[in-house]
Amino acid sequence: EVHLVESGGGLIQPGGSLRLSCAASGFTVSSNYMTWVRQAPGKGLEWVSVIYSGGTTYYADSVKGRFTVSRDNSKNTLYLQMNSLRAEDTAVYYCARVVTWRFDPWGQGTLVTVSS
Amino acid sequence: DIQMTQSPSSLSASVGDRVTITCQASQDIGNYLNWYQQKPGKAPKLLIYAASNLETGVPSRFSGSGSGTDFTFTISSLQPEDIATYYCQQYDNLPLTFGGGTRVEIK
Repeated sequence: EVHLVESGGGLIQPGGSLRLSCAASGFTVSSNYMTWVRQAPGKGLEWVSVIYSGGTTYYADSVKGRFTVSRDNSKNTLYLQMNSLRAEDTAVYYCARVVTWRFDPWGQGTLVTVSS
Repeated sequence: DIQMTQSPSSLSASVGDRVTITCQASQDIGNYLNWYQQKPGKAPKLLIYAASNLETGVPSRFSGSGSGTDFTFTISSLQPEDIATYYCQQYDNLPLTFGGGTRVEIK
């Protein structure tokens, strides 16, 4: 069964850093495109980043230069390194596998709260 | 960036009703559109891909249509378990963008 589990969220002060993890089972992360999507409290979905199987990465303008997506093939895990965090980064962060640009499946999400 | 405009933002309908949601793209995206369902407190779930293709395991009361800039998502007979927010998403160009969502409630 294909499954994704995010972790690493929490309360962080503005300007701080956090690394989210997305552990995959049932498929190989490095052979797939993978994406991060976030959802601010009570708001809609916002695409954050994608990493292609070849390693190319793309980011939303709102996080470019502050967030970095990566993966550890030995752990079959996707990461999102978030630096210089702002209050507006507060959201539930989801990872998802991308198959012909379909996001499926999604993880359960991890909440990041940026507040002093 | 491609803007995705969904309407209505919310609707209330009775069990058994036909429900229609529209999604308009700010430019031609062909059929590069997906629809997702998000139940409260849960992650989104893919329902329709490439505008009109039903994902495996999704009930046939869900359907999608359209191409270019105008798309429609339909629930042919609303069921209590369909209470959720529905999102369209384009994948013609990066950045990928979502519609604002449509909250569906039971009247």
